Amino acid sequence: EADIYQTPRYLVIGTGKKITLECSQTMGHDKMYWYQQDPGMELHLIHYSYGVNSTEKGDLSSESTVSRIRTEHFPLTLESARPSHTSQYLCASSAGRYNEQFFGPGTRLTVL
Amino acid sequence: ELKVEQNPLFLSMQEGKNYTIYCNYSTTSDRLYWYRQDPGKSLESLFVLLSNGAVKQEGRLMASLDTKARLSTLHITAAVHDLSATYFCAVVPSPYSGGGADGLTFGKGTHLIIQP
Repeated sequence: EADIYQTPRYLVIGTGKKITLECSQTMGHDKMYWYQQDPGMELHLIHYSYGVNSTEKGDLSSESTVSRIRTEHFPLTLESARPSHTSQYLCASSAGRYNEQFFGPGTRLTVL
Repeated sequence: ELKVEQNPLFLSMQEGKNYTIYCNYSTTSDRLYWYRQDPGKSLESLFVLLSNGAVKQEGRLMASLDTKARLSTLHITAAVHDLSATYFCAVVPSPYSGGGADGLTFGKGTHLIIQP
């Protein structure tokens, strides 16, 4: 069973605040990903990482940034949150030949 | 740009019936995945399909892949209420057709409601 954790699970904040969404995995996976999902909609890849010190932007443009200083940790930061950032953010990790991705429980962000 | 289309997007069916969800994708792909998502929850991996003609089954769900037609199907046999969820297919483009590495491109999802 996948062990991938996200905190907080729910976050309501005001416009202009800086926030960091945490993602950690205990499986030793090299590859990690962040997806954004609006309610009832598909997921969009916003960031990914192949390993420590590797980060790339995904298919959907995002104002967020990520870092990968440790293999198990892949935090996402918004320097100045806006209502348009309201969404669910899902973290995933993968490894192995088929790169099956395992998803965390998600962080539901609301920016007022 | 890789596009993934699912149909139907909404499906209401009765227990005991059979139905198929379709997933079409627009460019060459190495791998296709099916996921399940319950309301307010994360995604659960169902199937990984890696080659043309691949077929996988788990309980009442069976998934298949036709890479030449760029089509995958998820077949539900004798549906039960517990299968109510949203089902997503997701595709990784092949290395030589661009795309965000191993990042998944998702379909819009099929919202499935199974009524007693």
